Amino acid sequence: GESVGLHLPTLSVQEGDNSIINCAYSNSASDYFIWYKQESGKGPQFIIDIRSNMDKRQGQRVTVLLNKTVKHLSLQIAATQPGDSAVYFCAEERYNFNKFYFGSGTKLNVKP
Amino acid sequence: DAGVIQSPRHEVTEMGQEVTLRCKPISGHDYLFWYRQTMMRGLELLIYFNNNVPIDDSGMPEDRFSAKMPNASFSTLKIQPSEPRDSAVYFCASRTGTEDEQYFGPGTRLTVT
Repeated sequence: GESVGLHLPTLSVQEGDNSIINCAYSNSASDYFIWYKQESGKGPQFIIDIRSNMDKRQGQRVTVLLNKTVKHLSLQIAATQPGDSAVYFCAEERYNFNKFYFGSGTKLNVKP
Repeated sequence: DAGVIQSPRHEVTEMGQEVTLRCKPISGHDYLFWYRQTMMRGLELLIYFNNNVPIDDSGMPEDRFSAKMPNASFSTLKIQPSEPRDSAVYFCASRTGTEDEQYFGPGTRLTVT
């Protein structure tokens, strides 16, 4: 069935290294994607978004890449910091503007 | 800006009891969303409102769940009767009518024993 999923449930990186979190989606008609960060005991927090007419979008220390050919989304975090430790979700917008489907999440552990 | 406010933060109740979760969206936001998060199913949209009107409740699991938004600054999610499988973290989120970003509240952790 259709789904939004993540390849790696847990990712451990050294402080200062770059992190890459991946996400696969199955609905080729989806045209809007968001990455969220969720810290323990808190609600998801918007990080960055991208529309299907773009391949890449950059923010502060974060970059999202979208490969529509293989229906793959990635989040790159530069110079990962301990404060980046959290669970990261990709969310896919389907059918209308307000219904988002979330992936299962990847836990990022940053080792000092 | 206080952000989205949810109460209570934690709720423990016995099976069969009524549970009411509350949400105050960010002032000026036209849309309000209720989500449920579990380890098994992840984050799921239950229902959302636009200008206090329910637009899509297809994610509400069954008739035991109901949601209301009597005014622009308050919404409730009610479970009656509650069951152990309802145990989850329930999030409320809101957004404006012109921006895509949804702002999430801190969530209510519900435990039904």
